[in-house]
Amino acid sequence: TQLLEQSPQFLSIQEGENLTVYCNSSSVFSSLQWYRQEPGEGPVLLVTVVTGGEVKKLKRLTFQFGDARKDSSLHITAAQPGDTGLYLCAGGSSSNTGKLIFGQGTTLQVKP
Amino acid sequence: GAGVSQSPSNKVTEKGKDVELRCDPISGHTALYWYRQSLGQGLEFLIYFQGNSAPDKSGLPSDRFSAERTGGSVSTLTIQRTQQEDSAVYLCASSRGRIEQFFGPGTRLTVL
Repeated sequence: TQLLEQSPQFLSIQEGENLTVYCNSSSVFSSLQWYRQEPGEGPVLLVTVVTGGEVKKLKRLTFQFGDARKDSSLHITAAQPGDTGLYLCAGGSSSNTGKLIFGQGTTLQVKP
Repeated sequence: GAGVSQSPSNKVTEKGKDVELRCDPISGHTALYWYRQSLGQGLEFLIYFQGNSAPDKSGLPSDRFSAERTGGSVSTLTIQRTQQEDSAVYLCASSRGRIEQFFGPGTRLTVL
């Protein structure tokens, strides 16, 4: 069974601080996605990484896929209150069926 | 509409009753997924439909849960004899390929 461990579970920081969220597994994934979810809404895709060692940047967000495709990180620089939300990592099944394995999520609160 | 839609947005039912949840995927998307999300947690895969292939039902938690997809478009998730532990947000997603999934806003189910 493929599992994704996401940490930390909760994070409360001040505006302007940096943070990193981690997503780890003992399994290899065909792809790794990061989503952001706000209350009462479905998750919204932020990025997809598919190649080991891949780094993608989206404004103040930097996403990295581990060389062995077992782990990933999301780094936010100079966090803003608008970054507040639930961040979810999701791994593409190794059987490549399209099924996603989700981490438990990281609830981020950025205080002004 | 342009996105995935789900109905109802909220459903309150009594223990033992049956419920039906509906999902309208994005037009042209061949894949459709159902997930379940407990409060502030990650998503739990339930079932996956891809075109005319047999669905992947490996995530359904019990035989009280079933889903169908008519005409390759709209899907209905049915929960029979609901239990309190079935209370959660049920999310539907669709995709054109096997990687990027687009989520609906979810149906919040409360079983009293």
